Amino acid sequence: GNSVTQMEGPVTLSEEAFLTINCTYTATGYPSLFWYVQYPGEGLQLLLKATKADDKGSNKGFEATYRKETTSFHLEKGSVQVSDSAVYFCALDAGGTSYGKLTFGQGTILTVHP
Amino acid sequence: KAGVTQTPRYLIKTRGQQVTLSCSPISGHRSVSWYQQTPGQGLQFLFEYFSETQRNKGNFPGRFSGRQFSNSRSEMNVSTLELGDSALYLCASSLTTGRNTEAFFGQGTRLTVV
Repeated sequence: GNSVTQMEGPVTLSEEAFLTINCTYTATGYPSLFWYVQYPGEGLQLLLKATKADDKGSNKGFEATYRKETTSFHLEKGSVQVSDSAVYFCALDAGGTSYGKLTFGQGTILTVHP
Repeated sequence: KAGVTQTPRYLIKTRGQQVTLSCSPISGHRSVSWYQQTPGQGLQFLFEYFSETQRNKGNFPGRFSGRQFSNSRSEMNVSTLELGDSALYLCASSLTTGRNTEAFFGQGTRLTVV
């Protein structure tokens, strides 16, 4: 079946540090890939997405590139802020008859200190 | 425009009872999906409805059921509650489903079973 594996957390960084959160996936065919962010007490918000190989999704300084050869979709940000502290989820949509189903990784807790 | 609205935000129920959760999708969205989020299992897909039809279902027991009304609002029901059903239940809506479709999440309903 389809699966998503994220790097073990939590991740603790100082403000302005570089962020990488690793994500690899297993899926048949050509899934779409997503990063979602969850702030305390909130639902999930879409951060960025990519729908085909070599696509780069970007938003609010975050980037991730769809790498089919390594089945990866790592999240990066050049300079994190305290306000980026949240839980980050990598997810895939396998398409086809997987109607409305997103398969999520376990989530990575990010804490940014001033 | 208004986002996805889930009611109630918090619920406390006793083991053996049943519960109904409600989700109002973004206006015009016809697909509604439900997820269970727990610390141990992460985010798991429950089911998806589109135009009042269940098109996809996750690996949950029959105690978990749902429905969708003609105005796209959806409810999920859990019967004979167990302690392990304590979780954050998230609803997501989208215009349709497919590779390039963005899912918008509500803030969730926090269910505690005692």
